[in-house]
Amino acid sequence: EDQVTQSPEALRLQEGESSSLNCSYTVSGLRGLFWYRQDPGKGPEFLFTLYSAGEEKEKERLKATLTKKESFLHITAPKPEDSATYLCAVQGLVTSGSRLTFGEGTQLTVNP
Amino acid sequence: EAGVVQSPRYKIIEKKQPVAFWCNPISGHNTLYWYRQNLGQGPELLIRYENEEAVDDSQLPKDRFSAERLKGVDSTLKIQPAELGDSAVYLCASSSGGATRFFGPGTRLTVL
Repeated sequence: EDQVTQSPEALRLQEGESSSLNCSYTVSGLRGLFWYRQDPGKGPEFLFTLYSAGEEKEKERLKATLTKKESFLHITAPKPEDSATYLCAVQGLVTSGSRLTFGEGTQLTVNP
Repeated sequence: EAGVVQSPRYKIIEKKQPVAFWCNPISGHNTLYWYRQNLGQGPELLIRYENEEAVDDSQLPKDRFSAERLKGVDSTLKIQPAELGDSAVYLCASSSGGATRFFGPGTRLTVL
């Protein structure tokens, strides 16, 4: 069974204070690892897909990296508008079709 | 381009009452998903459609939940009868292949 654990559960940063969110996973062959952003009262918004260890992707102040056991979402010089819950999910080679297994998310708050 | 549309956005019902949620996916997306998201947790897949066919419904509680996707476009998810534990956000998502990328805003269900 695929499993995803995200840490920390909550993170409070000052504007400009860089940090990283962690996503540890176990999966029977990784088809893809996904990062989403979710604002209160909204559905998740897709950010990145990573497919193999060593891969990196960037979008504005966000950079996602992947190893064989975990992924990091690095936030550089965050702004208050980066405040949201960040969700990580994996898609395994064995699991049915394109089913995703999500973690519980990291709630990020960036104070001005 | 319009995103995934869901209605209603909020629903409050008494336990044992029926309830239905409607989803209109992004035009041209043949894959449609229904997820349930409990407070403080990541989404969990309930059912996945490829066109009109339900190809992954292994996590749908079939004693009280049902879904349909007529003509391979819109979809309806029904709960009858609702229980207190069904209170959650029900998310619809669609894609044109690969994993889930586009989520709707969700329907927040409260069962009293």
